[in-house]
Amino acid sequence: QVQLVESGGGVVQPGRALRLSCAASGFTFSSYSMHWVRRAPGKGLEWVAVISYDGSNRFYADSVKGRFTISRDNSKSTVYLQMTSLRGEDAAVYYCAKDDNSSPARWGQGTLVTVSS
Amino acid sequence: DVVMTQSPLSLTVTLGQSASISCRSSQTLVSSDGSTYLSWFQQRPGQSPRRLIYKLSNRDSGVPDRFSGSGSDTDFTLKISRVEAEDVGVYYCMQGTHYPPWTFGQGTKVEIK
Repeated sequence: QVQLVESGGGVVQPGRALRLSCAASGFTFSSYSMHWVRRAPGKGLEWVAVISYDGSNRFYADSVKGRFTISRDNSKSTVYLQMTSLRGEDAAVYYCAKDDNSSPARWGQGTLVTVSS
Repeated sequence: DVVMTQSPLSLTVTLGQSASISCRSSQTLVSSDGSTYLSWFQQRPGQSPRRLIYKLSNRDSGVPDRFSGSGSDTDFTLKISRVEAEDVGVYYCMQGTHYPPWTFGQGTKVEIK
């Protein structure tokens, strides 16, 4: 069965960096695009970034462009989100999700990022 | 960017009754391949989001047939028939036709009366 396990969240000061990881299993990871989606406290879902199956295409939300980098290691079935210059508005639960039919089909349990001095 | 607008933002439903959530997009979601990449998600309290519907009206595996998606062009509806207690949560529509970015609606909170 599809399993996605995020890690790497925590408390970070404004302006600092954090790297999230998402370990996948139960499907052929190298065949699927992967998304990161977040939900800030009291807010709705916000799409953050996507990476194609082979890493050749990456897209970002305007709110994170230039600060976040999505990457993947197909040999480890893992997708990453490198977050730099973190701001208060980046505080959220971050979910990774497997794409299917241009939609986040299966989601992990999420990892909480808190940005606070 | 495509703007997705849901209504209502909050809905209280009696057990066993039906509920409908509307979602409108700022431009047509019909893709050049003829498909409509409109999805619906459910997020129960304390849980991760779960996709219910993809490509307008296709139910994901394990999703009860009480959930159905319909619509066309720019107007879409999620219908929940015979609402059960486990249906409490926030529901989102999302478009994947005109990307990037993929865009979500604001969410509709469903409560039980």
